[in-house]
Amino acid sequence: GNSVTQMEGPVTLSEEAFLTINCTYTATGYPSLFWYVQYPGEGLQLLLKATKADDKGSNKGFEATYRKETTSFHLEKGSVQVSDSAVYFCALSSNFGNEKLTFGTGTRLTIIP
Amino acid sequence: EPEVTQTPSHQVTQMGQEVILRCVPISNHLYFYWYRQILGQKVEFLVSFYNNEISEKSEIFDDQFSVERPDGSNFTLKIRSTKLEDSAMYFCASTGTGRGNEQFFGPGTRLTVL
Repeated sequence: GNSVTQMEGPVTLSEEAFLTINCTYTATGYPSLFWYVQYPGEGLQLLLKATKADDKGSNKGFEATYRKETTSFHLEKGSVQVSDSAVYFCALSSNFGNEKLTFGTGTRLTIIP
Repeated sequence: EPEVTQTPSHQVTQMGQEVILRCVPISNHLYFYWYRQILGQKVEFLVSFYNNEISEKSEIFDDQFSVERPDGSNFTLKIRSTKLEDSAMYFCASTGTGRGNEQFFGPGTRLTVL
């Protein structure tokens, strides 16, 4: 079955540091890949997505590239802010679309001023 | 901007009681989901629903769980006889059609079983 392996947290960085959160997946076919973010006390919000190999998803300064050869979808940001403190979830859905999301364990990110 | 809503935001119940969690998906969406997140753990899929029937369910979704779309707008999750281990945040999500379509999540209902 599908699975997502995500870098364990928590991760603590200083403001303006470079961020990488690793995510690798196992799936048949060509899944769609997502990063969701959960701010304290809130629900899940889509941060970015990619639906085919070599696609780059980007939003709010965050980027992730769908790498089929390494089955990875690492999240990066060049300069983090205190407001980026949240839990980040990597997820995938099957290539048929509208299928369930399979989530990674989540990475708690804390940015200190 | 349209959004998924869920009620109540927090539900406290005694073990063995029935609870119904309610969701109003985005109006033109066709696929509906329930997920749960036990405190500090990952988000887990429970069930998906399309065309008035369950399209997939996880092993968590046993006979104690049921879903319903009673009136064309609400989407409910019922737990017949709650257990302590049902304590979690329950998220409803919906999506339209098309490959890789974003699932829009509601704010969640925190269920506490005492």
